[in-house]
Amino acid sequence: EPEVTQTPSHQVTQMGQEVILRCVPISNHLYFYWYRQILGQKVEFLVSFYNNEISEKSEIFDDQFSVERPDGSNFTLKIRSTKLEDSAMYFCASSEALMGPTRQYFGPGTRLTVT
Amino acid sequence: GESVGLHLPTLSVQEGDNSIINCAYSNSASDYFIWYKQESGKGPQFIIDIRSNMDKRQGQRVTVLLNKTVKHLSLQIAATQPGDSAVYFCAEGFSQAAGNKLTFGGGTRVLVKP
Repeated sequence: EPEVTQTPSHQVTQMGQEVILRCVPISNHLYFYWYRQILGQKVEFLVSFYNNEISEKSEIFDDQFSVERPDGSNFTLKIRSTKLEDSAMYFCASSEALMGPTRQYFGPGTRLTVT
Repeated sequence: GESVGLHLPTLSVQEGDNSIINCAYSNSASDYFIWYKQESGKGPQFIIDIRSNMDKRQGQRVTVLLNKTVKHLSLQIAATQPGDSAVYFCAEGFSQAAGNKLTFGGGTRVLVKP
């Protein structure tokens, strides 16, 4: 089965530093997503991205966050100035449907630790 | 249902028995529902999905039931195996909303006893 991949698996950074989390979605997929999961809590939607622009974002996704598809295969999440509360697992996902919700394929996640 | 913090509802089941995991969803307009399994340290893995024009769908050893009247979703696992031990999340989506986002429930931990 096709897989979404993410790097790094674990990122440790100091408060105030910028981090970039990387994802390679499944190659024929059109929609890309970032979710996060704080330890022991549920998975929370951050942003969805289609046709090189943000389709929807949650209130968590403030001005400190940005997403980019820098080339034909990568999809990145940047946090400009990390805060302690940004510590979480960050999951990238992708789906093939053009419109409407459908199965989203999740990557293994990047554990971000902000110290 | 909702779950905040470190406490998750836990279902303990004997190996070989059937498991039923329940989920109450929040948006009556949601028309797509999906179950994911999450093992420790891994990303959510797809189990099964269902659209609101159906009330039951079966997969391999799994069945999802949808009751739109009471906004309830359940996942049945037949002949539960040790490999089924994980946290199970339901999620809902709404086709009229932009962005295809999924809204996840709080999760249920399933522990399979040998």
